[in-house]
Amino acid sequence: GEDVEQSLFLSVREGDSSVINCTYTDSSSTYLYWYKQEPGAGLQLLTYIFSNMDMKQDQRLTVLLNKKDKHLSLRIADTQTGDSAIYFCAESPYNFNKFYFGSGTKLNVKP
Amino acid sequence: GAVVSQHPSWVICKSGTSVKIECRSLDFQATTMFWYRQFPKQSLMLMATSNEGSKATYEQGVEKDKFLINHASLTLSTLTVTSAHPEDSSFYICSAHQSGRSSYNEQFFGPGTRLTVL
Repeated sequence: GEDVEQSLFLSVREGDSSVINCTYTDSSSTYLYWYKQEPGAGLQLLTYIFSNMDMKQDQRLTVLLNKKDKHLSLRIADTQTGDSAIYFCAESPYNFNKFYFGSGTKLNVKP
Repeated sequence: GAVVSQHPSWVICKSGTSVKIECRSLDFQATTMFWYRQFPKQSLMLMATSNEGSKATYEQGVEKDKFLINHASLTLSTLTVTSAHPEDSSFYICSAHQSGRSSYNEQFFGPGTRLTVL
């Protein structure tokens, strides 16, 4: 499969902004996604971005895509303790039957 | 809408027994369902893709005779772990996709099944 890489941990204080980074190798990626996983639960889609976009904002979430560098980031503004979870980036090439996930970044929000 | 359920949510079994995990799309018809395996503190590994009424497509390295997948209807796919061993202990997650439902190829994920083999 394609390589999707993320840093494993991020710790921030409540109220600060969190930035989670992801790099991928597949240049044919059509869609890129951010999923949230809370302990013992499945994955919840947070947001997605199409490969011809470079930014998408949705309330507290901002996704930036640098297609040249194959770099995707998720910024969470005003991070809350309820945002503590594992965040996965994923990419889906033109053949959408394959979703490739990063290793996940565990976000710890300290009060 | 777009709810996917899994049953059971957790199961403990003895080594050598078989375990069946169900994945259901509750409010839509899933043309394609996917099975993933997640090891502790690791990412999701795609095991297989199943299309209703046809044989599943397994990823390289996944034993099709050990992980039997049946997608008998547009709302149900099952994963059977045959002759389970402790190394099969993992978190199994399914997802479902409905062709044409969304413009961004979204997969809807089930809550996962925790399998522990003693």
